[in-house]
Amino acid sequence: AQSVTQPDIHITVSEGASLELRCNYSYGATPYLFWYVQSPGQGLQLLLKYFSGDTLVQGIKGFEAEFKRSQSSFNLRKPSVHWSDAAEYFCAVGTGKLIFGQGTTLQVKP
Amino acid sequence: GAGVSQSPRYKVAKRGQDVALRCDPISGHVSLFWYQQALGQGPEFLTYFQNEAQLDKSGLPSDRFFAERPEGSVSTLKIQRTQQEDSAVYLCASSLDTGHQPQHFGDGTRLSIL
Repeated sequence: AQSVTQPDIHITVSEGASLELRCNYSYGATPYLFWYVQSPGQGLQLLLKYFSGDTLVQGIKGFEAEFKRSQSSFNLRKPSVHWSDAAEYFCAVGTGKLIFGQGTTLQVKP
Repeated sequence: GAGVSQSPRYKVAKRGQDVALRCDPISGHVSLFWYQQALGQGPEFLTYFQNEAQLDKSGLPSDRFFAERPEGSVSTLKIQRTQQEDSAVYLCASSLDTGHQPQHFGDGTRLSIL
C-alpha cells in the first residue's frame, strides 16, 4: 500500500538551531516526493520537490531535502531555523494524486 | 488571479443541508484536485479532473459527495445531506499537468456542520 509516515508529530527547536524533519514513504514505483508547509488558516505552499536526478534538492526559504532510496526516506533539513518557520510541515508522494503524511508541527523557541 | 481561489473561506451549515464549494484554479492549469483535511491530519485525496473529465473519484467518501468541472476551469464540490463527519477543510489544487508539475493549493474552505 502507498503511504507516507512522518514519525514526529511535534518538534520544538530554538531559533538559530538546525532542523531535520523525517519522512518515510511506501510507494510501488519511482516516487515523486514533495514537502509542503502550511501556516494556520492557509493552504499548502510547496517548499521543494524531487522527481529524479540529484538526490539532494534545494527549496525555498533555505530548506533542502535528501532522497535516500535505500531507506525510503526524504528528510527535510534547514541549517538555521527562524521564528517565521513555525508551521505545519507535510511530506507527500505521488504522481497526480498525492498521498500526504500526518504532518509535523514545528514550534520555534526564541 | 495569480493563485488558486476558493470560496467561501468559511461555511457553516446544519446537518442535512446541502453545500457547494467553489474552486477557481490558476488560469491554464489542466489538472484540478480536491482534498479533504480533517483537524490535525494531512490532506486526503477526494477527486481529480483533467480539463472537464473527472478521471479519478476514488477518494469521495460517499455518494453524497459530487464534483464537477463542466468547462474545464472552475470546479464545484457539492455535499448533499451533510453530516457532522463532513466537517473539515476542503482544499483545491491545480497543476499544469499531472507529470512533473507540482500542485498549487488554495487556502481552502473550512466547513462546519452543526
